[in-house]
Order: sequence, then C-alpha cells, then structure tokens
Amino acid sequence: SQTIHQWPATLVQPVGSPLSLECTVEGTSNPNLYWYRQAAGRGLQLLFYSVGIGQISSEVPQNLSASRPQDRQFILSSKKLLLSDSGFYLCAWAPMGYNEQFFGPGTRLTVL
Amino acid sequence: GQNIDQPTEMTATEGAIVQINCTYQTSGFNGLFWYQQHAGEAPTFLSYNVLDGLEEKGRFSSFLSRSKGYSYLLLKELQMKDSASYLCAVTPPGGGGADGLTFGKGTHLIIQP
Repeated sequence: SQTIHQWPATLVQPVGSPLSLECTVEGTSNPNLYWYRQAAGRGLQLLFYSVGIGQISSEVPQNLSASRPQDRQFILSSKKLLLSDSGFYLCAWAPMGYNEQFFGPGTRLTVL
Repeated sequence: GQNIDQPTEMTATEGAIVQINCTYQTSGFNGLFWYQQHAGEAPTFLSYNVLDGLEEKGRFSSFLSRSKGYSYLLLKELQMKDSASYLCAVTPPGGGGADGLTFGKGTHLIIQP
C-alpha cells in the first residue's frame, strides 16, 4: 500500500529564517506530487505541483520554491520566511493519469 | 478562473440527515471531489463525481449536475464523529491528475446530540 510522509509535524520559525519541508511517498512510482497551504479561515491553496523529477509548476507567485530531487521526494523551501507564510502545509500525491489526490499528515508552520 | 462556493457552517442533529451544497464556476471541468477534514488533520477522500448523477458510498452520497455547476454531499445517520469540515474541490480540464485541485473554503459541520 502507498503511504505519504511529511516532516516536521510542527515548526515555529522567526521571520527571515529559511525553511525546508520534506514530503516522501512510498509504495508507488512516478506519482504526481503537490504542495498546498491552508491558512486560517481560507481554503486549501495549491502552491506547486510536479509530474516528474525536476519538473515543477508554480501556481502563485511567492517567496516559496519547490524541488523534486527524486521520484518520490518533494521539498518546499524558502530563503526568508514572512509572517504571511504561517499555515498548514499539506503534501499530496496522485497516481499518474488519475485525478484523486491523497494527502500527507501536514506540517503546521508558525512564523513569529 | 475558478470559483467554488459552499456554506461556511452548518449544524445538524445526531441520527439525522444533512445535505452540504457546492456550486462552482470554472473555465473548465473534469470532475468534483469531496474531502472530509477533522480539525488539525489532513483531508481524507470521500467521493469523486465526473458524470451527472448520484454516487452512494455507505452513509455518504454525492450528487453532481454539470449543467448547473452544482454538487451536494449527503450524510445520513449522522454520528458525532462526522463533525468536521467538508471540502468541495474541482479538477481543471485536461485531467490526468497533472494539475492540482481547486478547493472551496469548506463547510464546517457541527453535530449536536
């Protein structure tokens, strides 16, 4: 069976500090991978998606970036965090060719 | 662009039935999802509709009308554990899973004894 992992589960960072969130998927090959953010009082917002190694598409301009160094690894990064980056970050995967997405446990980020 | 509307909050009684509506206006459409999200947790998949009609899965059913841009999620025999947010999401055209989903803000469902 397939599983998706995210870490860390929670993170508190000062403004201006860097960020690295990691997501890995097990039990599948060539998944489509996604990063979403859920801010307080707002819906899930798609940040990035990837259909393969090194292939990243960005949905919204921001100070975040994503990378996919391996088939089942997706990383979300920032060089300098802003207060507005606080939120619940969710990684998701979908089998290639399918629409259904499965979410990881999420990382709750608080920027102070 | 895409716009998805669903009520912010609903209240229902344990053992009863509740219907959560979702309307969408999109530049293209390739399917609609419903997810359940308990507070502080990740969303979990409930249903996927790509054709018009009703899909039933146990206590949960989902309906889609593409011509009206409308869907609803029906929950029967409500239990206290059904208290959660219910997210409506649309898949853009092209499908194949490459593009991400566009989510509504979610409906917070409160179940009372």
